[in-house]
Amino acid sequence: DAGITQSPRHKVTETGTPVTLRCHQTENHRYMYWYRQDPGHGLRLIHYSYGVKDTDKGEVSDGYSVSRSKTEDFLLTLESATSSQTSVYFCATYRGGGLYEQYFGPGTRLTVT
Amino acid sequence: QKEVEQNSGPLSVPEGAIASLNCTYSDRGSQSFFWYRQYSGKSPELIMSIYSNGDKEDGRFTAQLNKASQYVSLLIRDSQPSDSATYLCAVNRGNTGNQFYFGTGTSLTVIP
Repeated sequence: DAGITQSPRHKVTETGTPVTLRCHQTENHRYMYWYRQDPGHGLRLIHYSYGVKDTDKGEVSDGYSVSRSKTEDFLLTLESATSSQTSVYFCATYRGGGLYEQYFGPGTRLTVT
Repeated sequence: QKEVEQNSGPLSVPEGAIASLNCTYSDRGSQSFFWYRQYSGKSPELIMSIYSNGDKEDGRFTAQLNKASQYVSLLIRDSQPSDSATYLCAVNRGNTGNQFYFGTGTSLTVIP
């Protein structure tokens, strides 16, 4: 367990509003990831970070942006939320250096009405 | 073609039996393979990782990898009701930090 917390754990928001989800880790892991999980699609990578200020896009990055100003924090922002972004969002971390074992946070359930 | 494919199930086994979960992947260059367990409403929990052909055992769990057939499996011996969950297969392609792909999961129910 990489000591990962996510906030908020649940959020309901309206279409068109901005939303920021936060992931915080205490294990000094180099890599951090944002996934979304939807029925029938499994976990899909949105964005990831391989270091402070170093981020890149994943498979489903449209409509999302990220920032990482400190090793322990990785923020996911929905600039203008849409109903298609209703999902469960998971943060994950990986220490780096091989093995590639990812550990997941508890998740955030986001509903866009 | 999906990167990682699993039978969605549901798979039901009686308590004490062996549960067998299967996964195939599309990229021959994949290097690292993982099984996660996810209880309903919870986050995925890493239970097994395997990197070379053959079997890897950890307690009641055995992961099997066959790179020639692009096939990964998970065996759960002496299945318990607490093993009832969705099992996710994950693959890392090419040993890079961004090339993770997950299957949609297999739902397992262990019947007391």
